[in-house]
Amino acid sequence: QQQVKQSPQSLIVQKGGIPIINCAYENTAFDYFPWYQQFPGKGPALLIAIRPDVSEKKEGRFTISFNKSAKQFSLHIMDSQPGDSATYFCAATGAGSYQLTFGKGTKLSVIP
Amino acid sequence: NAGVMQNPRHLVRRRGQEARLRCSPMKGHSHVYWYRQLPEEGLKFMVYLQKENIIDESGMPKERFSAEFPKEGPSILRIQQVVRGDSAAYFCASSPDPKGGYTFGSGTRLTVV
Repeated sequence: QQQVKQSPQSLIVQKGGIPIINCAYENTAFDYFPWYQQFPGKGPALLIAIRPDVSEKKEGRFTISFNKSAKQFSLHIMDSQPGDSATYFCAATGAGSYQLTFGKGTKLSVIP
Repeated sequence: NAGVMQNPRHLVRRRGQEARLRCSPMKGHSHVYWYRQLPEEGLKFMVYLQKENIIDESGMPKERFSAEFPKEGPSILRIQQVVRGDSAAYFCASSPDPKGGYTFGSGTRLTVV
């Protein structure tokens, strides 16, 4: 059972565009939603995270939007750059758990 | 701070051999987690360990897979009698406490031929 559904699978945007990656979850016990960035040959690195008591969180060019009633959250990358080309994973955990449940990932390509 | 160190980076094993993957957590981190990433998939939890204890191995296959985190030395993920389906990237993460805030290593890419 896939508990975190991520879309799209891949995304191509031009430099300066705003790619948006969406995730939906099923488990209402989830209360922590991180996003990870992974470059080829590297491990995932925490990018930004949100808890459901806020609807939006911004860190630099990265913004998470959170819709608790719809059980959805999304990542926006403002003014995207070629260096942002990577695979992005959403994840969720909660109820005191240490296990992260990951989406399947979105491969982002930012073309100059 | 060297981060989470995993070795080897790449490992090739023939079917039926054993694979040993090592993970040294970040300094000061006593909680270690192993995840497996199949091609085109997200990471899947395998096991959570603290020093000398397995806390949760609910994601580990019941056979051939084992993990340890001894008092001294790195955490080891051991896969006996490997099969082609074991080919994947195996990531270790560590944290100072069990409430998240993981740091992942760069992974070991296992190829079974």
